[in-house]
Amino acid sequence: DAGVIQSPRHEVTEMGQEVTLRCKPISGHDYLFWYRQTMMRGLELLIYFNNNVPIDDSGMPEDRFSAKMPNASFSTLKIQPSEPRDSAVYFCASRGTGMETEAFFGQGTRLTVV
Amino acid sequence: AQRVTQPEKLLSVFKGAPVELKCNYSYSGSPELFWYVQYSRQRLQLLLRHISRESIKGFTADLNKGETSFHLKKPFAQEEDSAMYYCALTGGSYIPTFGRGTSLIVHP
Repeated sequence: DAGVIQSPRHEVTEMGQEVTLRCKPISGHDYLFWYRQTMMRGLELLIYFNNNVPIDDSGMPEDRFSAKMPNASFSTLKIQPSEPRDSAVYFCASRGTGMETEAFFGQGTRLTVV
Repeated sequence: AQRVTQPEKLLSVFKGAPVELKCNYSYSGSPELFWYVQYSRQRLQLLLRHISRESIKGFTADLNKGETSFHLKKPFAQEEDSAMYYCALTGGSYIPTFGRGTSLIVHP
């Protein structure tokens, strides 16, 4: 398995534009997490899915943020409209419920909103 | 609720010096604890987990349930150890909770 794959790696967009971040988890993992990383706040859990179902989105900062997981191999995090304060690195991670109990992270998407 | 505290945002040492990155946790049950490392602009990757009781790249961490701590230690720091280190806890919910992270800088 190639690991957790995120795209794009970098995104620069203008304030007010819609941004969509994509994630492909490791095959067989039934948990998927979206995190946001900033200097000020560190790693924040935004939302997580179990078996494609959103379980807890209490970390999503505002209604401008939404996430979907239409199937076991794909998830999106959308920001509409984007604002400069959304600039951060967004990580997707997945984990299973077997012997490997750690979360595996993607490379992240570095978002810059200007 | 589960919580992880890393009290130091930055730790700066010289090459060859001992290193200890502190991690304290709060969890009512039996936690699974991990240390992740993030090298510059790369993904977070697992460094070690408490159940393995292993040493990776010279790092060790011991779970102290009495003090609710899981400090990361290395007797002799190397320049290539410079990175961001995150302590994480997974409870019964399978959801990893991360500390704020400690940036380790090892000077030559």
